[in-house]
Amino acid sequence: ILNVEQSPQSLHVQEGDSTNFTCSFPSSNFYALHWYRWETAKSPEALFVMTLNGDEKKKGRISATLNTKEGYSYLYIKGSQPEDSATYLCASTPNAGGTSYGKLTFGQGTILTVHP
Amino acid sequence: EAQVTQNPRYLITVTGKKLTVTCSQNMNHEYMSWYRQDPGLGLRQIYYSMNVEVTDKGDVPEGYKVSRKEKRNFPLILESPSPNQTSLYFCASSLYGQGGNIQYFGAGTRLSVL
Repeated sequence: ILNVEQSPQSLHVQEGDSTNFTCSFPSSNFYALHWYRWETAKSPEALFVMTLNGDEKKKGRISATLNTKEGYSYLYIKGSQPEDSATYLCASTPNAGGTSYGKLTFGQGTILTVHP
Repeated sequence: EAQVTQNPRYLITVTGKKLTVTCSQNMNHEYMSWYRQDPGLGLRQIYYSMNVEVTDKGDVPEGYKVSRKEKRNFPLILESPSPNQTSLYFCASSLYGQGGNIQYFGAGTRLSVL
């Protein structure tokens, strides 16, 4: 089982603060890194999928970077708003041949709470 | 509307009584997958399917069966449920299974096994 780890486990920030989380994953046999946003009582929603070292993706105030050589990805939220409060999940897909591309191993998530 | 539909949304059952949770997608996606979510453990993959008649084990397949006879449907079968299968289950699909495609999740099925 791939070990995908996220830090911190939880984070409390004030409205307007910028914040970032980390996702670390095994760098060997890496294929893709996913970020999802999961609000309470809803389903996870995809934010980004990245495959290339140095990839940067942006969606509004949220952006992500990927370093496949050292096995980490950062998710940044600029000017946090209360509606950004959610659990942020990352997940890694291996490149180990066959149908391994279908495997997805999630980290435990970072719970973000943005206080007004 | 593009969606992944799971049924039922809530289910309480007893140990040993076979059950099936259905999952259907209307996006003509090749890839489908099942996950369970438990407190402190995050989402864990149970089984996935790269296409019709192609299924493979995820990280926690024990006690579960799946089948993919049609592209749109991917049911999860618990032949003899046990209390440790009490969990929140999610079905997801993506266009292809090459790992670089975003997944669309269903609304979840909360299962309690007494």
